[in-house]
Amino acid sequence: GQSLEQPSEVTAVEGAIVQINCTYQTSGFYGLSWYQQHDGGAPTFLSYNALDGLEETGRFSSFLSRSDSYGYLLLQELQMKDSASYFCAVSYNTDKLIFGTGTRLQVFP
Amino acid sequence: AAGVIQSPRHLIKEKRETATLKCYPIPRHDTVYWYQQGPGQDPQFLISFYEKMQSDKGSIPDRFSAQQFSDYHSELNMSSLELGDSALYFCASSRKSPSEQYFGPGTRLTVT
Repeated sequence: GQSLEQPSEVTAVEGAIVQINCTYQTSGFYGLSWYQQHDGGAPTFLSYNALDGLEETGRFSSFLSRSDSYGYLLLQELQMKDSASYFCAVSYNTDKLIFGTGTRLQVFP
Repeated sequence: AAGVIQSPRHLIKEKRETATLKCYPIPRHDTVYWYQQGPGQDPQFLISFYEKMQSDKGSIPDRFSAQQFSDYHSELNMSSLELGDSALYFCASSRKSPSEQYFGPGTRLTVT
């Protein structure tokens, strides 16, 4: 089957670090992507891991472990504007993305 | 930089009516995707086109159809609308990889 699991909600304060985990059960898997979506807005691409390890893009980093079918998004130096939903998504050898259930991040002052 | 354009941004239709949603991908992007997102849900893949040919199909009802035209814009046609079709419909485009997709602002469809 194709399912991706994420925590439904995470809360943190400004300046903190938060990690959003994603576990997947799938085959024919190409890589793991992360998207950010503000309420009423469109999903925005954040990062993509095709290989095991850590990818860093500014305050955001993403990690993948294929052997553990697991990945995470790490957000550092949290800002109020980071309050949004974060989706992991997997891609296959077809033209489709399967999204996880999404994690709602709330950042408090 | 150019982004994905969708029109209309908002659409209100009655049950059993027909709706057409339009999408203009980012120039030189070769693949277009359509997604449906209900309130509090994750985006659900509907259909995709690579170089104007249908490349993949997801959970798209038979009442829906889509195509991509010679100028690369795409249209999603929805007939016999039902209340449950009320959702945000996103179009996305990518170049060479489905992993990095760029989404349009979406069309909010309300069926009454």
